[in-house]
Amino acid sequence: DTEVTQTPKHLVMGMTNKKSLKCEQHMGHRAMYWYKQKAKKPPELMFVYSYEKLSINESVPSRFSPECPNSSLLNLHLHALQPEDSALYLCASSPYRFYSNQPQHFGDGTRLSIL
Amino acid sequence: KQEVTQIPAALSVPEGENLVLNCSFTDSAIYNLQWFRQDPGKGLTSLLLIQSSQREQTSGRLNASLDKSSGRSTLYIAASQPGDSATYLCAVGSYNTDKLIFGTGTRLQVFP
Repeated sequence: DTEVTQTPKHLVMGMTNKKSLKCEQHMGHRAMYWYKQKAKKPPELMFVYSYEKLSINESVPSRFSPECPNSSLLNLHLHALQPEDSALYLCASSPYRFYSNQPQHFGDGTRLSIL
Repeated sequence: KQEVTQIPAALSVPEGENLVLNCSFTDSAIYNLQWFRQDPGKGLTSLLLIQSSQREQTSGRLNASLDKSSGRSTLYIAASQPGDSATYLCAVGSYNTDKLIFGTGTRLQVFP
């Protein structure tokens, strides 16, 4: 069992749909991350939140919109996605962000398929 | 720009063998190096974290070493078991970007 919970586990959506991915942790971590992982590739960082504020945006297209409503919850809002956005979306958390020597804890991800 | 490479890309061994996975990085300005395990369709599980001032870390049958000056780390798995079958990823915490840079991964299969 992972301590970072992601829902849903699977999501199929059309290119005109709007959906959201959810990530939750109750470890008191103040840094939370979104990664995108394509098949047989390493995870690629998308966004970092530190103390509920957006800290890093890796030039992600605006059809992906992150939100951190509180210290335990991280959302990723999706709109007008493209087929190439199909991937495993991973959420992670760590006690703090800057030069952290604590490991990141990952959820099991949401498998996203765009029709 | 930090680049992280892992060799071999894939490895298949019989149960009981001791094995070594390699990770190399181009920029020695790192604050830590981490090894993760990923099972198919799952998230990443942290195995070991070595701070830049440390030389090695051990957990059970796993031992990871770090040589920052040469830009190398190894993950040693003793007495491998079929349950060790997974993809192993190394990642470096880079001072220049303050984010984890992941390696390309080694896909390990241990057969009975």
